[in-house]
Amino acid sequence: DVVMTQSPLSLPVTLGQPASISCRSSQSLVNSDGDTYLNWFQQRPGQSPRRLIYKVSNRDSGVPDRFSGSGSGTDFTLKISRVETEDVGVYYCMQGTHWPWTFGQGTKVEIK
Amino acid sequence: DVQLVESGGGLVQPGGSLRLSCAASGFTFSNYWMHWVRQAPGKGLVWVAYIKTDGSSSNYADSVKGRFTISRDNAKNTLYLHMNSLRAEDTAVYYCARDGYGHYDYWGQGTLVTVSS
Repeated sequence: DVVMTQSPLSLPVTLGQPASISCRSSQSLVNSDGDTYLNWFQQRPGQSPRRLIYKVSNRDSGVPDRFSGSGSGTDFTLKISRVETEDVGVYYCMQGTHWPWTFGQGTKVEIK
Repeated sequence: DVQLVESGGGLVQPGGSLRLSCAASGFTFSNYWMHWVRQAPGKGLVWVAYIKTDGSSSNYADSVKGRFTISRDNAKNTLYLHMNSLRAEDTAVYYCARDGYGHYDYWGQGTLVTVSS
């Protein structure tokens, strides 16, 4: 199985400051169709996961533009340009290129 | 609006069975692959099973293969997960998720399954 490794696992951030989460895969996530199926999900406390970013850098409808995704191959990053209170939660990367699809361990974002 | 509503969770003894349901609305259910993903208490997300649009094909995580069965009723817009021979390690919140463009575009609110004597 493809192992997804996130860092850091805990990320205390000051309100209004940027935050960055890294996600590395044990294999390239470039699919045979040429696309890279790397998604980012946000899980607020007590809620179900919500997709923020799909195929590395595409923001879902309704997702604030302070969230951005980048990367290629095996190295990916989620950035929050200015953290707000509503961004508190756990963030997961997920690969949908190789079966079985796998998630990272999660990064807990909290306010300092 | 797309909605996925899970039900059927609860407390079950080890070795017991349970059937989860996921009622879909707001989209053409029969056009999408569907998945079950679970999350043990305080842990991360783990894919459990998927089923193709017409139910002709499905796949399972090794940890549940032979014990769980995913099915769907496109006439009722409902996804199911039949769980047999339940173990303590199956304790988790179970989410259904739609396999839309880019994968997992919508999730339900989850249903908690607790396996304990």
